[in-house]
Amino acid sequence: DAGVIQSPRHEVTEMGQEVTLRCKPISGHDYLFWYRQTMMRGLELLIYFNNNVPIDDSGMPEDRFSAKMPNASFSTLKIQPSEPRDSAVYFCASRYVAGELFFGEGSRLTVL
Amino acid sequence: AQRVTQPEKLLSVFKGAPVELKCNYSYSGSPELFWYVQYSRQRLQLLLRHISRESIKGFTADLNKGETSFHLKKPFAQEEDSAMYYCALLRGSTLGRLYFGRGTQLTVWP
Repeated sequence: DAGVIQSPRHEVTEMGQEVTLRCKPISGHDYLFWYRQTMMRGLELLIYFNNNVPIDDSGMPEDRFSAKMPNASFSTLKIQPSEPRDSAVYFCASRYVAGELFFGEGSRLTVL
Repeated sequence: AQRVTQPEKLLSVFKGAPVELKCNYSYSGSPELFWYVQYSRQRLQLLLRHISRESIKGFTADLNKGETSFHLKKPFAQEEDSAMYYCALLRGSTLGRLYFGRGTQLTVWP
């Protein structure tokens, strides 16, 4: 397995534009997590899914953020409209039942 | 409520010196604790978990329920240990999210 795959690896956009980040979890994993990493706040959980169903989205900063998981092999995190304070590295992670969490390489977002 | 605290944001040691990265947690049940490591511009990866009681890359961590701590230790630090280290907690009976601390950036000087 290639591990958790995220795209794009880097995204530079202008304020107000829509940003869509994508994630393919490891096959067979039934939990998927979206994290945001910044210098100031560290690693923050935005939302997580179990069997494609959102379980906890209390970490989603505001209505500009939305996440979907239409099937077991794909999830998106969308920011619309984007703002400079959204600049961060966004990680997707997946795991099977309890235990080790496998992370993707992250999507580095810069909003100008 | 559960919480993971890593009191040191930055930690610097010289090569060959002992290193200890602190982690304290608050949780009334039986937690499962982890250490994750992130080398420069790489993905986070599991370093070790308390239930396996392993030593990985010379690092060990012991769960101390009395002190609610899970400190990460290595007797002789190496330059390649320079990385961001995150302590994380999984609530024992809930198959859900991991709670991460804010991380400690370790720098090992030559």
